Amino acid sequence: GAVVSQHPSWVICKSGTSVKIECRSLDFQATTMFWYRQFPKQSLMLMATSNEGSKATYEQGVEKDKFLINHASLTLSTLTVTSAHPEDSSFYICSADRGTDYEQYFGPGTRLTVT
Amino acid sequence: GEDVEQSLFLSVREGDSSVINCTYTDSSSTYLYWYKQEPGAGLQLLTYIFSNMDMKQDQRLTVLLNKKDKHLSLRIADTQTGDSAIYFCAESGGGGADGLTFGKGTHLIIQP
Repeated sequence: GAVVSQHPSWVICKSGTSVKIECRSLDFQATTMFWYRQFPKQSLMLMATSNEGSKATYEQGVEKDKFLINHASLTLSTLTVTSAHPEDSSFYICSADRGTDYEQYFGPGTRLTVT
Repeated sequence: GEDVEQSLFLSVREGDSSVINCTYTDSSSTYLYWYKQEPGAGLQLLTYIFSNMDMKQDQRLTVLLNKKDKHLSLRIADTQTGDSAIYFCAESGGGGADGLTFGKGTHLIIQP
């Protein structure tokens, strides 16, 4: 149990376009979902925390207008990268907390390449 | 801000023990984690330790926590080729309800 999926697993888009990444908890309800970003050979950096039905809390230095997060239900959070640029190319990983224990459950990640 | 440091590479011979070290700065860390990431795969939680513990053993894995020095280690006994991966140390103040702060990851290389 406690499976988190992400869609798409990889995406290539042109500079200036927007791309949406979905994160779903498949077999549990997630009280909180998190979005991380991982650069090659770097650690995961927390971008934002989202709770269902409320605005996301962004980490310092993360542009709210560029990385739009919507947490529409207890099983779905979306990250939209608006007006993407090549420097937004990265590996985006979501995780979900089911509120019952110490663990976050991670999705497999989405590789975004902006050309 | 919070910081988690770990060495980038560790090379061991198959069958030997691997010890991956991590230091952290946040004294309010409540949970400390070790995650494994294999190429093309997501993060897999290996083990975790609560801050009021100093050791935890789970089969081939032993976690040691020195809270005074803010030092965490992961020992993998009888290292196998399947253990080749990147190992991330992470900390959280609130368990699953808080965002995690990760180290940069240690790439474990297994020599035959």
